[in-house]
Amino acid sequence: DAKTTQPNSMESNEEEPVHLPCNHSTISGTDYIHWYRQLPSQGPEYVIHGLTSNVNNRMASLAIAEDRKSSTLILHRATLRDAAVYYCILDVTSGSRLTFGEGTQLTVNP
Amino acid sequence: DTAVSQTPKYLVTQMGNDKSIKCEQNLGHDTMYWYKQDSKKFLKIMFSYNNKELIINETVPNRFSPKSPDKAHLNLHINSLELGDSAVYFCASTLAGGLNEQFFGPGTRLTVL
Repeated sequence: DAKTTQPNSMESNEEEPVHLPCNHSTISGTDYIHWYRQLPSQGPEYVIHGLTSNVNNRMASLAIAEDRKSSTLILHRATLRDAAVYYCILDVTSGSRLTFGEGTQLTVNP
Repeated sequence: DTAVSQTPKYLVTQMGNDKSIKCEQNLGHDTMYWYKQDSKKFLKIMFSYNNKELIINETVPNRFSPKSPDKAHLNLHINSLELGDSAVYFCASTLAGGLNEQFFGPGTRLTVL
């Protein structure tokens, strides 16, 4: 599986935008970029996924570099509830396996 | 209604015992998974079932035996529990094929004493 690299931790202030980076320099042409997050004491939850174009949904936006070697998850207005570990995952389809890395621990300050 | 549910939420047991964790999903999905999250928070896939058939079996000791009585249920039975089995176990489900998100259960925290 292609590997992803994320910062171990990031901090943000409430109601400010957050940009969570992910490097995936060995991504293949068929790999989709998935983001999941895990709130404290809960199971992971899906956030967003994309292939080449930028994507938006009610939770976040996903900006994908033109060469697809990196991507950024954007939370437009962080809330305290967004404090979680965010995982960037590559896979051909989420119907198969998800290989979780260490993720980024996001702390949101009031 | 809980989409993916697991029982029990907590399980404390002695080494050598046999225990089971149950998982049910009411989403109409046909693929279910078991993941293990250890004390260092690494989340690893253990098994995947599609329509009651095993399709992924990572390098997991054969003391772990998943059973899928129907598409909505995937149970995990563990024989001869060891200290290293202590972890949080998550069940998940999805629709096979396409790019469908996985839905995770709340987890079962297993502690082996």
